[in-house]
Amino acid sequence: AQTVTQSQPEMSVQEAETVTLSCTYDTSESDYYLFWYKQPPSRQMILVIRQEAYKQQNATENRFSVNFQKAAKSFSLKISDSQLGDAAMYFCAYRGNNAGNMLTFGGGTRLMVKP
Amino acid sequence: GAVVSQHPSWVICKSGTSVKIECRSLDFQATTMFWYRQFPKQSLMLMATSNEGSKATYEQGVEKDKFLINHASLTLSTLTVTSAHPEDSSFYICSAKWREYAQYFGPGTRLTVT
Repeated sequence: AQTVTQSQPEMSVQEAETVTLSCTYDTSESDYYLFWYKQPPSRQMILVIRQEAYKQQNATENRFSVNFQKAAKSFSLKISDSQLGDAAMYFCAYRGNNAGNMLTFGGGTRLMVKP
Repeated sequence: GAVVSQHPSWVICKSGTSVKIECRSLDFQATTMFWYRQFPKQSLMLMATSNEGSKATYEQGVEKDKFLINHASLTLSTLTVTSAHPEDSSFYICSAKWREYAQYFGPGTRLTVT
């Protein structure tokens, strides 16, 4: 079974600075998708960014980018120019191609942004 | 696009009663929807996968007779918690599959059983 591990329960960053959230996963599949979701205090899950495993290029969405290391099974999220609105729980998620589209989530990282 | 709604957002019910939670995809058709449960300060745990027109697939340890799932149309899935007990109190979240690679989530329903 696939597992997703987020080793940082909490992270803190100064406003306007850069922070990197870590995620590792374990799988025997070669084709899969990886996601980062944000859950603010409202508890609405918001898709931040996704990465297809077959793509070597790291995904980027405005201030959010990933460092995808397939061989190392690592998928970190970098947030640049952090804003107060970035404060939230961040979940890394894995979706295999043969898993009926189900997502496996990591335990989450709580990001605090200091003004 | 890809908006998912849930109703109600918060429900309080008495022990022994049943409560129904609706999940709707507002601007797309979802052949597959998912139901999750989230305890405070924890991650999301998948309860079941709901496919339109067929029986739901439940994860190990989830009682299918207690958590009834119906996916009667391409835009609506419902979760009914039958004979609710205080231990069923939790935050329930649905999501809908959009295209082949993403799930979009509803805002969640807080269930409190007294």
